Amino acid sequence: DTGVSQDPRHKITKRGQNVTFRCDPISEHNRLYWYRQTLGQGPEFLTYFQNEAQLEKSRLLSDRFSAERPKGSFSTLEIQRTEQGDSAMYLCASSFAGLAGGTFFGPGTRLTVL
Amino acid sequence: AQSVTQLDSQVPVFEEAPVELRCNYSSSVSVYLFWYVQYPNQGLQLLLKYLSGSTLVKGINGFEAEFNKSQTSFHLRKPSVHISDTAEYFCAVSEDTGNQFYFGTGTSLTVIP
Repeated sequence: DTGVSQDPRHKITKRGQNVTFRCDPISEHNRLYWYRQTLGQGPEFLTYFQNEAQLEKSRLLSDRFSAERPKGSFSTLEIQRTEQGDSAMYLCASSFAGLAGGTFFGPGTRLTVL
Repeated sequence: AQSVTQLDSQVPVFEEAPVELRCNYSSSVSVYLFWYVQYPNQGLQLLLKYLSGSTLVKGINGFEAEFNKSQTSFHLRKPSVHISDTAEYFCAVSEDTGNQFYFGTGTSLTVIP
């Protein structure tokens, strides 16, 4: 296992369409995080899972955003009815709970909403 | 709640010169502190971290940072930069008991030949 992977790396969609991104964490990690990074800004925390439980989701940007991690392994982030303001880099990260210094980030999915 | 301020959005520096990237944080609880680097079209890579112990932390690629609790700072330094250090650098904090990060807005380091 070489690290956190994300798919796709790039997504271009039209306003109003739904998009789904996938994240595969490092296999032994039980925590998985989603962040959003807009141009010129640092990553912004969205949500995280410990195993299959979503422990924090109040920071999701709107009810159009949802995330799942059904079997405690990979996760998906869905954005419904995309808007131009959703254009950003979506980053996934994983860690082992309780080890603050061991969080690894994936390469990100760059979303462009036309 | 935590917040992170990176005072310089862009830092140009000549090759082989020293550099300092500044980071200040605010928090009502103890924090862990991190510096990440992001190369173009890549994800975030951990440079170094402060969890506890010695306030001078050494990381990869010759970088180091010093935790100053009284000044709530965690500045990043390198004594001699290389062209390959050109990248975006992010300072981040996380709470004592969790792994959620709060990031600064980043500092773009450009090394000039």
